[in-house]
Amino acid sequence: GENVEQHPSTLSVQEGDSAVIKCTYSDSASNYFPWYKQELGKRPQLIIDIRSNVGEKKDQRIAVTLNKTAKHFSLHITETQPEDSAVYFCAASYRFRGSTLGRLYFGRGTQLTVWP
Amino acid sequence: SAVISQKPSRDICQRGTSLTIQCQVDSQVTMMFWYRQQPGQSLTLIATANQGSEATYESGFVIDKFPISRPNLTFSTLTVSNMSPEDSSIYLCSVEREGRETQYFGPGTRLLVL
Repeated sequence: GENVEQHPSTLSVQEGDSAVIKCTYSDSASNYFPWYKQELGKRPQLIIDIRSNVGEKKDQRIAVTLNKTAKHFSLHITETQPEDSAVYFCAASYRFRGSTLGRLYFGRGTQLTVWP
Repeated sequence: SAVISQKPSRDICQRGTSLTIQCQVDSQVTMMFWYRQQPGQSLTLIATANQGSEATYESGFVIDKFPISRPNLTFSTLTVSNMSPEDSSIYLCSVEREGRETQYFGPGTRLLVL
């Protein structure tokens, strides 16, 4: 099955700095890569996702990049704010025309702390 | 997005007992999943709840320990049977709609087994 590695496990940045979290995957068939944010005591919430037919996707201060050849994808958060502090999980899966044919495989998570 | 509720939100149970967790969605969904998240850990898939048929379990999880029901397209239950302190965890359901790749999570059930 798929194996998703996520680094770093913890990341501390100063408010206003950028944060980058990296994930690698093993199955070249994976074509859907979501990122979830989980605040303390809350449920994981999808913040951005990318499909393998695009190399980059942005949503305000958040962007995700995908390198299919190298089988890695990254989350970029610019102008970080204290409310960005949370655990971030990457995941990988195979999707065919939007249907679920494969489960989500999650990374181990990154604890991001943004200091004011 | 789907509105997902779970009951109970938390519980404290004695070892050897069983607890049934309910997951209710406000609209029909194709896929429902059950995850376990131990403190400070990632999300571990227990099983996929299939409507009208037996659940599909991941390696390391068995039906006798985690029986699952899914009687319709909006509701599922997960039972944690013969509990031990090692079962203390957060249990989350998640859902996907056909044709929509996004998976949404319920609020979770915090279980403590004494």
